[in-house]
Amino acid sequence: QQQVKQSPQSLIVQKGGISIINCAYENTAFDYFPWYQQFPGKGPALLIAIRPDVSEKKEGRFTISFNKSAKQFSLHIMDSQPGDSATYFCAASKANTGFQKLVFGTGTRLLVSP
Amino acid sequence: EPEVTQTPSHQVTQMGQEVILRCVPISNHLYFYWYRQILGQKVEFLVSFYNNEISEKSEIFDDQFSVERPDGSNFTLKIRSTKLEDSAMYFCASSEGYRSYEQYFGPGTRLTVT
Repeated sequence: QQQVKQSPQSLIVQKGGISIINCAYENTAFDYFPWYQQFPGKGPALLIAIRPDVSEKKEGRFTISFNKSAKQFSLHIMDSQPGDSATYFCAASKANTGFQKLVFGTGTRLLVSP
Repeated sequence: EPEVTQTPSHQVTQMGQEVILRCVPISNHLYFYWYRQILGQKVEFLVSFYNNEISEKSEIFDDQFSVERPDGSNFTLKIRSTKLEDSAMYFCASSEGYRSYEQYFGPGTRLTVT
């Protein structure tokens, strides 16, 4: 019940296209859902996050869509650029405790072709 | 922009040896975490730490592991007797405080146990 399932494992998108990565969770106690971007040899960098009181959050070219009833959330990258090529991890935690134990998905390796 | 720093970037050690991984969290942050990532796999929670105490730990964090905040700036992870399977990337993270959900990760220490 602690798992977060992420798909696809890898994704190739043409420059200018839309990249979509999906995650699903089972634990209804999760109420904070961040996405992290990781470049090779670097630590995960917080990209965007959502709480379940909204169904969508947009920051620049990055949008999180959240479906509470389906227990699913997704990351959309609009106008994908070669510089977006990285591994993306979704995560979840119980935000109503003081300690954010993040449960990560398995990651999606995104390649944006020029 | 404040950031989490970690030293060393790469540590090679022999099986059975003790290692200490060091982290300097963001200065006004109160919650500290260690995660690990085995090559090509997802990021896994190890331990959270607040007010000089462990607040939560995972099954991975057994008696061979310990954490300490030896002074006002450093946060360390010690592995007493390393095993081959401890080889991984170890990430330190910190967050600001209660109900501050954003966790910021350091660049990681690659631990290689031979």
